[in-house]
Amino acid sequence: TQLLEQSPQFLSIQEGENLTVYCNSSSVFSSLQWYRQEPGEGPVLLVTVVTGGEVKKLKRLTFQFGDARKDSSLHITAAQPGDTGLYLCAGGGRGSTLGRLYFGRGTQLTVWP
Amino acid sequence: DAGVIQSPRHEVTEMGQEVTLRCKPISGHNSLFWYRQTMMRGLELLIYFNNNVPIDDSGMPEDRFSAKMPNASFSTLKIQPSEPRDSAVYFCASSRNRWAEQFFGPGTRLTVL
Repeated sequence: TQLLEQSPQFLSIQEGENLTVYCNSSSVFSSLQWYRQEPGEGPVLLVTVVTGGEVKKLKRLTFQFGDARKDSSLHITAAQPGDTGLYLCAGGGRGSTLGRLYFGRGTQLTVWP
Repeated sequence: DAGVIQSPRHEVTEMGQEVTLRCKPISGHNSLFWYRQTMMRGLELLIYFNNNVPIDDSGMPEDRFSAKMPNASFSTLKIQPSEPRDSAVYFCASSRNRWAEQFFGPGTRLTVL
């Protein structure tokens, strides 16, 4: 059973378009992290959100944590070919699972010039 | 500073053979995590160590899998005997403590024929 569901699984867009990627769960998490992974490499952390309703911006990327701390979204404005990669969300465990990360399967984004 | 180092980067073996994957965490990091990534299941935590002690091994799929951390600068993940369904990319990650940002290595791509 996948704790975190990401959608869409694949996204192919033209340079300059906007996009939103979703990460949903029925579980509550202590935090929500977004990673980006390129072929042949490990995931690299982009952002961590910890408070319900929190919004963080990283240049053209906007991250939001749901009020109930069960879901999150990543919005990219004016996508560029350099944004191409696998975007993973990960929820932080609570209580006895504090310290564990539960990853979604990811959204493969391709941005064409 | 060097990041997380994993070896080998690629491993091709035959069913039934023993496989040993190696990881050197970032110096000064006290927590080490082993993950497995497949298309079907995404990124899954297998086991993690804190101060060289295994804390949570609930993700280890079977007794065929074992992990050790004899000192703060080295860890191994062993599969014996290996099976074709073990084919995946195995990542090692380390962090200053179990709640801090995790830094991933480049991964070992394992193929069991």
